Amino acid sequence: KAGVTQTPRYLIKTRGQQVTLSCSPISGHRSVSWYQQTPGQGLQFLFEYFSETQRNKGNFPGRFSGRQFSNSRSEMNVSTLELGDSALYLCASSRDRVNYGYTFGSGTRLTVV
Amino acid sequence: AQSVTQLDSQVPVFEEAPVELRCNYSSSVSVYLFWYVQYPNQGLQLLLKYLSGSTLVESINGFEAEFNKSQTSFHLRKPSVHISDTAEYFCAVSAITGTASKLTFGTGTRLQVTL
Repeated sequence: KAGVTQTPRYLIKTRGQQVTLSCSPISGHRSVSWYQQTPGQGLQFLFEYFSETQRNKGNFPGRFSGRQFSNSRSEMNVSTLELGDSALYLCASSRDRVNYGYTFGSGTRLTVV
Repeated sequence: AQSVTQLDSQVPVFEEAPVELRCNYSSSVSVYLFWYVQYPNQGLQLLLKYLSGSTLVESINGFEAEFNKSQTSFHLRKPSVHISDTAEYFCAVSAITGTASKLTFGTGTRLQVTL
């Protein structure tokens, strides 16, 4: 079966711009989570959506937002980009809770210049 | 809140030698425990998980981890590594409360296997 698909794979943006990243979960998975991975901070939880509702949220500023559609696809948006937002953004999907196991996508590499 | 400490940032080892990657966690509530592996330019892959029951869990590719509640540890072991095991390994926990949907990761251990 198809895995978690993230688009685009690579993105270069300028400071102050905004960006939208997309994630298509595995068919049947209703939970979608987003993580930011950087060399300095490691893997940090951004937020999780389940059946179109944000169920959990990490400690990121309001510039980071997300949503989930009725088909479970999810998008995350970062407004007013800063250099420090450069990171690998990973999306993960699961049937429900984390004990079912998360399947991660290959990520979107965002570079802010 | 939960936290995870991976004591070794890098572990060099020769092929066919045994390896142990250490993971300790801190939590005021019970947790689920996971090991994920990340190959270059890829996302994370679930290696194994402890939810309940037997404290020793195994993966299909020869790795095993043992949950030790008294020492709050979940060390990953393999008796004989291969070149293909070279990757970054992340230990993670999730609190068994509420929606149990958030993973807290350690900083990772880079396993470098050489001939």
